Amino acid sequence: DQQVKQNSPSLSVQEGRISILNCDYTNSMFDYFLWYKKYPAEGPTFLISISSIKDKNEDGRFTVFLNKSAKHLSLHIVPSQPGDSAVYFCAAVKGGTSYGKLTFGQGTILTVHP
Amino acid sequence: KAGVTQTPRYLIKTRGQQVTLSCSPISGHRSVSWYQQTPGQGLQFLFEYFSETQRNKGNFPGRFSGRQFSNSRSEMNVSTLELGDSALYLCASSVQGATGELFFGEGSRLTVL
Repeated sequence: DQQVKQNSPSLSVQEGRISILNCDYTNSMFDYFLWYKKYPAEGPTFLISISSIKDKNEDGRFTVFLNKSAKHLSLHIVPSQPGDSAVYFCAAVKGGTSYGKLTFGQGTILTVHP
Repeated sequence: KAGVTQTPRYLIKTRGQQVTLSCSPISGHRSVSWYQQTPGQGLQFLFEYFSETQRNKGNFPGRFSGRQFSNSRSEMNVSTLELGDSALYLCASSVQGATGELFFGEGSRLTVL
């Protein structure tokens, strides 16, 4: 039972354009959502998060949107840069005492072409 | 500030053996979580420790165990290794209260032959 899904295994975009990565979830108990980026031979790195009481959070070139009714979140990267090429994981966590217990999606490989 | 350190980085074991992996969290971080990453299953939560107590546990068999020491360092152990245990094992630390914002190490790559 995959509670967090990233249906696109890969995404290719041109430098300077927008990258949109999508994620769907099924568990209504999730109340905090995060995006992580992973380069080869490195551990995942936290990128940006959003609480379920918000519908948008921005940090520089990165914006996360949350649509609770559709159980969908997306990560927008504008403008995309070649250094953004990595695997992107969305993750969700329930409230209460589940601080470090994340449920991850399968990941989307983003390739940004110069 | 030093990051999360995991040892060993690579190891090869045979079926039936047991293995212990070590994790040193970022200084001041008292919460340590462990994840297994495989191509087929992605990143899956193993367990989380805080102040030497297991706070959460994932859906893994009892062969997988862990502990945390008073200095917040953590170890995980896998007994009676199976071929399917071949994976990247990732440790992450976090500040208490920082929900989901984990700092990951580079992982320990386990190969079971």
